[in-house]
Amino acid sequence: DAGVIQSPRHEVTEMGQEVTLRCKPISGHNSLFWYRQTMMRGLELLIYFNNNVPIDDSGMPEDRFSAKMPNASFSTLKIQPSEPRDSAVYFCASSRDLAGNTIYFGEGSWLTVV
Amino acid sequence: AQSVSQHNHHVILSEAASLELGCNYSYGGTVNLFWYVQYPGQHLQLLLKYFSGDPLVKGIKGFEAEFIKSKFSFNLRKPSVQWSDTAEYFCAVSSAGYSTLTFGKGTMLLVSP
Repeated sequence: DAGVIQSPRHEVTEMGQEVTLRCKPISGHNSLFWYRQTMMRGLELLIYFNNNVPIDDSGMPEDRFSAKMPNASFSTLKIQPSEPRDSAVYFCASSRDLAGNTIYFGEGSWLTVV
Repeated sequence: AQSVSQHNHHVILSEAASLELGCNYSYGGTVNLFWYVQYPGQHLQLLLKYFSGDPLVKGIKGFEAEFIKSKFSFNLRKPSVQWSDTAEYFCAVSSAGYSTLTFGKGTMLLVSP
C-alpha cells in the first residue's frame, strides 16, 4: 500500500516567495496532520483535519501559514510570504480517524528559505 | 496540556551495548504512548506503541518499552544495539481515544561500529 505522499521533497526558495507543500494521505484515512520539525523546537503540530474539516489550527505559527483540504485525498500547506525562519522539514501524516489510531508519516518536505 | 520529556539529547554507544532511552510525560488522564524512529534523511516510522494491557511492549527490530504509570514513564530499551540503529528516537503521547500526538524533543543515538 502507498504511504503518505508529500511533494516536493526538497525546496529552496527566496524570502518573500510563496511556498506550497502538498500531501496525499493514505487511502481510507480520514484524519490528516501537518507537523513541522526544526532543531530548536522539535516536532510541532501545526494543524489537523478530520473528514476534510480543520479541527485545530492553534499550532499554525502566523497568518502567513494556511492549510486546506479540498477533498479526502489532498491537502496543501501554504506559506505566503516565506521567511528564512520558516526553514524546516514539514511532515504530513494521516490516520484512520481521531479515535487513537496510529499516525503514519510521509517522508517530509525539506524547505529552505534563503 | 500534555508534554513529553526525553532525558538525553544525544547518546553514543558502541555496538552490542545495551540501550535505554528515557521518556516521561505529563498528563493527568489515560494516555497512549509511542516511540518513533527517524533514520538519517528519512521520515518517522513507528517503533512500538502502548494503548492498554501488558505494560511491557515489544516493537520492531528488537526494541521494547515499559510503561510505568506511577512514574509517568515509557522508557525504550534494546539489549544489544547495532550500527544500523543510529537514528533519532522520539517519544510521543496522545490522550487515550485521540490521535493527535505530542512529541518529545528527540534523542539522537549514534552507534559506533
